[in-house]
Amino acid sequence: QQQVKQSPQSLIVQKGGISIINCAYENTAFDYFPWYQQFPGKGPALLIAIRPDVSEKKEGRFTISFNKSAKQFSLHIMDSQPGDSATYFCAASRGSSNTGKLIFGQGTTLQVKP
Amino acid sequence: DTAVSQTPKYLVTQMGNDKSIKCEQNLGHDTMYWYKQDSKKFLKIMFSYNNKELIINETVPNRFSPKSPDKAHLNLHINSLELGDSAVYFCASSQGLATSYEQYFGPGTRLTVT
Repeated sequence: QQQVKQSPQSLIVQKGGISIINCAYENTAFDYFPWYQQFPGKGPALLIAIRPDVSEKKEGRFTISFNKSAKQFSLHIMDSQPGDSATYFCAASRGSSNTGKLIFGQGTTLQVKP
Repeated sequence: DTAVSQTPKYLVTQMGNDKSIKCEQNLGHDTMYWYKQDSKKFLKIMFSYNNKELIINETVPNRFSPKSPDKAHLNLHINSLELGDSAVYFCASSQGLATSYEQYFGPGTRLTVT
């Protein structure tokens, strides 16, 4: 059972545009929602993370918006650049559990055209 | 300074063989993980260890056996390799179980079974 659903599967954006990736989760016990960025041939790297008691978190051009009631969160990349072309994964974890399990969404391949 | 390293980076082998992948982290973290990334880029947790103790053992065939000789190392041994084992395997670490949302990934090992 997929507990974190991510869309779209792929996204093409023009340079300078806004990239938006959406995720939905089912388990209300999750207490951290990170986003990971993965470049071809590399391992995923943490980009930004948010807790469910915060509605928005911004780091540079990257913003997470969180809607607890709808059980949805999204990543916005402002002023998208060709260097942002990568695969993005949303994820959810329950740090209060004793397993440390991180559940990933299916991934979104972003291509930013020059 | 490599935080999480894996060897080898590429592994090509025939069906039925046994192979191992090694992982080391120099971050002083307590928790380590193995993930499998399939051809559709889906990331799935296989195992996690905390202070050398097995915490997560997902529905992985018994042919896969992790071993953690110390907190800095988590190796993965695979017996009787099958075509379906072809994937990229990532090792990761986090400071602890409570901070599992912040994981540091290695560069991956691309396993090809022919």
